[in-house]
Amino acid sequence: GAVVSQHPSRVICKSGTSVKIECRSLDFQATTMFWYRQFPKKSLMLMATSNEGSKATYEQGVEKDKFLINHASLTLSTLTVTSAHPEDSSFYICSAGTQGSYSNQPQHFGDGTRLSIL
Amino acid sequence: ILNVEQSPQSLHVQEGDSTNFTCSFPSSNFYALHWYRWETAKSPEALFVMTLNGDEKKKGRISATLNTKEGYSYLYIKGSQPEDSATYLCAFSSNDYKLSFGAGTTVTVRA
Repeated sequence: GAVVSQHPSRVICKSGTSVKIECRSLDFQATTMFWYRQFPKKSLMLMATSNEGSKATYEQGVEKDKFLINHASLTLSTLTVTSAHPEDSSFYICSAGTQGSYSNQPQHFGDGTRLSIL
Repeated sequence: ILNVEQSPQSLHVQEGDSTNFTCSFPSSNFYALHWYRWETAKSPEALFVMTLNGDEKKKGRISATLNTKEGYSYLYIKGSQPEDSATYLCAFSSNDYKLSFGAGTTVTVRA
């Protein structure tokens, strides 16, 4: 149980393109999902907290207009990298908890998306 | 940004040997400490969530201890097997909703 599906797993696209990444909870409802970014050999950095039916909460330094998050249903959150540039190339991964956002509960992760902007 | 350090960054262990590694985190405002195993091309898998000082948790040959007063947790692998090869992440929380991750310890078990 507690499966999170993330698509696509890999994207290669030209500079200026917008890219949408989907994160789905397959067998549970996720009122909150988390989006992380990872640079090589670095830790997962929380970008934003996605809340179903309301605006996402972004971490300091993360551009809201660059990284659009939509959480329209209890099982789907999307991250759109708008007008992507080479510096946006990175590994993006989502997670969700079966009991909401509480940090005393384990998080369930997607497989991640490797984004490469040419 | 909460500073979560894991050491060593990587280690190699012979099959059958036991090993351990460390996660250091701020000793103030502790709420929870997580351990995840992340195998290549897969998603991170939760191993343990620890919330009390002195907690010890075990899952098969893997166990973890927690010292919140001094800000560290150890993960132990007993009798390492090739399938234990993975990156092990720890994550610290000082509140009830957000995790700060370490960069991980990559374990390679040699047959």
